[in-house]
Amino acid sequence: AQKITQTQPGMFVQEKEAVTLDCTYDTSDPSYGLFWYKQPSSGEMIFLIYQGSYDQQNATEGRYSLNFQKARKSANLVISASQLGDSAMYFCAMRERSSARQLTFGSGTQLTVLP
Amino acid sequence: DAGVTQSPTHLIKTRGQQVTLRCSPKSGHDTVSWYQQALGQGPQFIFQYYEEEERQRGNFPDRFSGHQFPNYSSELNVNALLLGDSALYLCASSFGSGVNTEAFFGQGTRLTVV
Repeated sequence: AQKITQTQPGMFVQEKEAVTLDCTYDTSDPSYGLFWYKQPSSGEMIFLIYQGSYDQQNATEGRYSLNFQKARKSANLVISASQLGDSAMYFCAMRERSSARQLTFGSGTQLTVLP
Repeated sequence: DAGVTQSPTHLIKTRGQQVTLRCSPKSGHDTVSWYQQALGQGPQFIFQYYEEEERQRGNFPDRFSGHQFPNYSSELNVNALLLGDSALYLCASSFGSGVNTEAFFGQGTRLTVV
């Protein structure tokens, strides 16, 4: 079974609007961390936001927020006030305590921001 | 402060050849992980090095091997290259290995096997 599922291969959003990128995960480990990375065409993975499994509140970092629904095993990324520079691939990833040395990534969502 | 640097940025090799990719971690980081990202897919974990030892390995054959040097830099070696080894190879460095450990990635080496 896939550990990280991103069901939106591509998404379009109008500049200055908000967009939600979906991520569901599968783990039996009670301790885990969820990450979102942005990958522009240059290839580098850029860390955006982190949510721990025991965190009580949803994580926020500037225009990025994580809608964490633990019971549903979902960790959706919300980008507010989209900018043209937000156009990129976005990956959801998980690190489990039982195998904390590796990140497991989803297949990504290609976001295009329209002017 | 330099981030994670990888070399070379691009590489073309012939099937059956061997290749070595290099990674210098971010200053202060002691752990290096390697990932393979095929076109249109998410990165797949190859292995992680800490204190010059491989301490975890993903589902990759023995043709993939690595090394970490005393200065924490690392090499990824791939022997007997196959066409399917064509991918972006990403190096990530970190300090620590908890669930909340942030990994910093380099820009990758794009390997093409012909």
